[in-house]
Formats: sequence, C-alpha cells, structure tokens
Amino acid sequence: NAGVMQNPRHLVRRRGQEARLRCSPMKGHSHVYWYRQLPEEGLKFMVYLQKENIIDESGMPKERFSAEFPKEGPSILRIQQVVRGDSAAYFCASSPTHPANYGYTFGSGTRLTVV
Amino acid sequence: SQQGEEDPQALSIQEGENATMNCSYKTSINNLQWYRQNSGRGLVHLILIRSNEREKHSGRLRVTLDTSKKSSSLLITASRAADTASYFCATEETSGSRLTFGEGTQLTVNP
Repeated sequence: NAGVMQNPRHLVRRRGQEARLRCSPMKGHSHVYWYRQLPEEGLKFMVYLQKENIIDESGMPKERFSAEFPKEGPSILRIQQVVRGDSAAYFCASSPTHPANYGYTFGSGTRLTVV
Repeated sequence: SQQGEEDPQALSIQEGENATMNCSYKTSINNLQWYRQNSGRGLVHLILIRSNEREKHSGRLRVTLDTSKKSSSLLITASRAADTASYFCATEETSGSRLTFGEGTQLTVNP
C-alpha cells in the first residue's frame, strides 16, 4: 500500500501558465481533500471530493482554480493563469470514510513556485 | 478567524523533558485530531479524540479534550530530538465536511 501519492513533488511555473497537481489516494479511500499551506502557516482547506463529485469547494477560489476526481485515475487540482501568490505547498489527503473516523492520510505535497 | 489556534507558537525544550501544546477552537465538533509535520514533509496523523472522550493515550502522547472550554492539550512525555517538528490540531466540526487546521506549534527538542 503506497499511501497517498502526489506528483510532481516540485513544480515551477511562469506567471500565466497552468499548473496541474495530481493526487492518487490510498487504495480503498474514496474521499479526497485538498489543502494549501503557505510558509510558516497552517493548512487551509480548499476542496473535498468523492469519485466524480465535488462535495465542498468552499475553500477554493472561484476563478482560476478547479478540481476533479474522475471515476478512473487520480484527483487533479488545476490552477490556470498562475500568479506569484499561488506559490505554496499543496497537500492532498484521503480517507476511507467521511467523517474520517481514524484521521486523514496525507501525501507529501506538491511545492508550487511561480516565477 | 481560525477554528483551531495552538499555543504556544514555538516551544524549545531539552531532550527528556515533557512538551505541552494547547489548542482552542470555536464551534461544536465531532472530534479533534493532532498531526505532526516534519520540515518540508506531509502531515502525519498522531491521535484522534472524539467529543465524548476526555483523555486518550498513545505511547508517549497524551491528549485531553475539554468541550466546555473548547480546548485540547497534547502532552509529549520524555521528549526526543526526533520529536522536533510542527504540531497541528485539527477539528472536524459537526456542521462541516472537512478538517480545519490551526496554525501549529513549532517544537524544538535540543539534544
């Protein structure tokens, strides 16, 4: 069981480009959560998805950001026309249940740098 | 405003000493969880305490929860240099659909 896999680990994009972050949840986990972390800060919730459904996107900016969790394949967090303020670590977590009775399992994150 | 706020923001102790971190929150919760994050890494789940529980132990970790004061504490006994990390509390609100994290306590254990 490989745990929650995120790729890439590091991503550098120029302003105006698109960033695509991928997350494969643990086997058997159908609940996926995306969080963003700025340096020296806590994690800020972005979006909660189940297979083929967005359940809660209240933490995700309405423009430029989108997320999906298709029937087959990883969950994708997509940031269009990136700006310097998008530079952060993006973490994905998964859980077999919701509520998560035993906590979330986190991936190692994708560190996005916008230059 | 933050749902979970940790106190202190930073804590530096000697190996062998105990470390206590506190967390306060604002709303009704299903459970409260503590996570550890080593620098540049993802978060690791440490312990979960449900709203109807008052205390829980796991190895050198002891967590308390006071729902009347909306606060929790994490005690790490006999600390080791390897315990150096950031520690976050996270609450699962009764009305919400996800965990809400605090800003964290940076613990440094000096050998």
